[in-house]
Amino acid sequence: GIQVEQSPPDLILQEGANSTLRCNFSDSVNNLQWFHQNPWGQLINLFYIPSGTKQNGRLSATTVATERYSLLYISSSQTTDSGVYFCAVDYNNNDMRFGAGTRLTVKP
Amino acid sequence: GAVVSQHPSRVICKSGTSVKIECRSLDFQATTMFWYRQFPKQSLMLMATSNEGSKATYEQGVEKDKFLINHASLTLSTLTVTSAHPEDSSFYICSARDRKRGYGYTFGSGTRLTVV
Repeated sequence: GIQVEQSPPDLILQEGANSTLRCNFSDSVNNLQWFHQNPWGQLINLFYIPSGTKQNGRLSATTVATERYSLLYISSSQTTDSGVYFCAVDYNNNDMRFGAGTRLTVKP
Repeated sequence: GAVVSQHPSRVICKSGTSVKIECRSLDFQATTMFWYRQFPKQSLMLMATSNEGSKATYEQGVEKDKFLINHASLTLSTLTVTSAHPEDSSFYICSARDRKRGYGYTFGSGTRLTVV
């Protein structure tokens, strides 16, 4: 099956800093999504981005499908950004496979 | 956007009993729904694919007799953990995709199961 690798596994930032999270995948994908899992476990969809670039406020994401990676940018980080960020891919048009996640801690 | 509702959000049960978790697509029809399990500080692992009107497809290593899945309608899938044991304690999350509107996968809010 497809391999999904996220880096870094852990990231600690000071409030106001910027960061880049990376997701590499081993095969062509039909769909790629970035999620933020909050402390209560809820998965919040950030981006549906099988290719190209999207922006939503302080967050943006870029997927280069031909090179099999995606990047999530967080600018001017806030303490509420803390949590785990997951990349998930759909390679057979039937289900999502998750990376191991990046655990982000933003300190005040 | 597409909304998936999951219930209950939290359940505590005694060892040996069964627990049913519901997953509903509120504003779209889903012929396929997915059940994931997440252990503490780990990623989400796909357990099974729930197919409306037919048998579920289970991932390797997932006991189909223990995790019963029923997808009786286009908006409802249920996961029943039978004869639960403490090692079944986990966070269970369902998802579905509104293919008609082309959205990505939407996830329920999850169910935290604790077996005592």
